[in-house]
Amino acid sequence: GAVVSQHPSRVICKSGTSVKIECRSLDFQATTMFWYRQFPKKSLMLMATSNEGSKATYEQGVEKDKFLINHASLTLSTLTVTSAQPEDSSFYICSASSGGWNTEAFFGQGTRLTVV
Amino acid sequence: AQKVTQAQTEISVVEKEDVTLDCVYETRDTTYYLFWYKQPPSGELVFLIRRNSFDEQNEISGRYSWNFQKSTSSFNFTITASQVVDSAVYFCALSFSGNTPLVFGKGTRLSVIA
Repeated sequence: GAVVSQHPSRVICKSGTSVKIECRSLDFQATTMFWYRQFPKKSLMLMATSNEGSKATYEQGVEKDKFLINHASLTLSTLTVTSAQPEDSSFYICSASSGGWNTEAFFGQGTRLTVV
Repeated sequence: AQKVTQAQTEISVVEKEDVTLDCVYETRDTTYYLFWYKQPPSGELVFLIRRNSFDEQNEISGRYSWNFQKSTSSFNFTITASQVVDSAVYFCALSFSGNTPLVFGKGTRLSVIA
């Protein structure tokens, strides 16, 4: 399968600071990327969908001003957690798709964010 | 709306036992994809299988097998002769297409005891 690289894999930050997470498709062009969040021992919940060159579409209840998503190129999407708080501590994972009905979305390795 | 139900929250088996993880889905779409992923403690999602709604053939891959039955909207996963390395959380998921998001079940935590 195709490779999606997510960086960093782990990050610890202080409350009030911002953290940027990168999601890169290494060997294909990702027209669509998805960002999911997973609380401990819970399932993965979709946060937002981003299409290259367009504004991200956020799921209900996800604060767009807090979770800034940028998909400026066909190989890179970023999620920035602004003014991070302890309750933002979670596992964030992206997936990327080259688009089309019969294509497949590939997952990054995930980022474990801890806000202290 | 799409929904995936994994009724088994946790399962514990002794090594070499067979174990089946259940997955029931709901969708109004006539075409869709079903997935199984393994999530070890490291957190990454390990892709196991993708099956489209037109293909009801059961699949076997080594010790893994999947039973897809549209009549009961189920896509069950069986591990034969389980091993300790199979211990993980397993997620069943559903999507309409490659460029739509996955809807995940709540996951089943499998513990295989030596």
